[in-house]
Amino acid sequence: GAVVSQHPSWVICKSGTSVKIECRSLDFQATTMFWYRQFPKQSLMLMATSNEGSKATYEQGVEKDKFLINHASLTLSTLTVTSAHPEDSSFYICSPWGLENTEAFFGQGTRLTVV
Amino acid sequence: AQSVTQLGSHVSVSEGALVLLRCNYSSSVPPYLFWYVQYPNQGLQLLLKYTTGATLVKGINGFEAEFKKSETSFHLTKPSAHMSDAAEYFCAVSEAGGYNKLIFGAGTRLAVHP
Repeated sequence: GAVVSQHPSWVICKSGTSVKIECRSLDFQATTMFWYRQFPKQSLMLMATSNEGSKATYEQGVEKDKFLINHASLTLSTLTVTSAHPEDSSFYICSPWGLENTEAFFGQGTRLTVV
Repeated sequence: AQSVTQLGSHVSVSEGALVLLRCNYSSSVPPYLFWYVQYPNQGLQLLLKYTTGATLVKGINGFEAEFKKSETSFHLTKPSAHMSDAAEYFCAVSEAGGYNKLIFGAGTRLAVHP
């Protein structure tokens, strides 16, 4: 399967600070990046979809000014959680998609804890 | 719109017993269906997928699933559970014809006891 690298795997930050999560597709070009969020004991919910070089499309209820997505290259996308609050504590997972792909691949996830 | 329902948030089986995890979907367009496994604090690993063709799909680690359009189901089975199968399992659906966003079920936690 394709290699997807997501960093950091876990992070603890203080309320009000910002956290950046990186997602890299190491062996294919990701024209599209999906960012999912998973709260404890819940399923994954799509937060936003970004296409390389374009603005991200956010799902209903997801604040675009709070969750900044940058997809400036075909191998790297970042999700920045700005002014983090404890309710943002969650497991964030990226899923890059390339035109050659026939299935979805996922990063290892980032466990964010805001204290 | 698409949706996925996984019956049973927790399933417990004995080692060596049959594993059956249920998944029903709703889709107004031909679906692609997936089963993923997630170990604690890790991403998702694809077990198997149905796109087109044969309705009985075999995946990794001895798992298989059958797409039944008339029942809108895609249940996951494994003849003999192993302790290492204990994990969270997610059924997901997307629109056919390429990769679109995945709609996930709520998940089923599988416990395997000796």
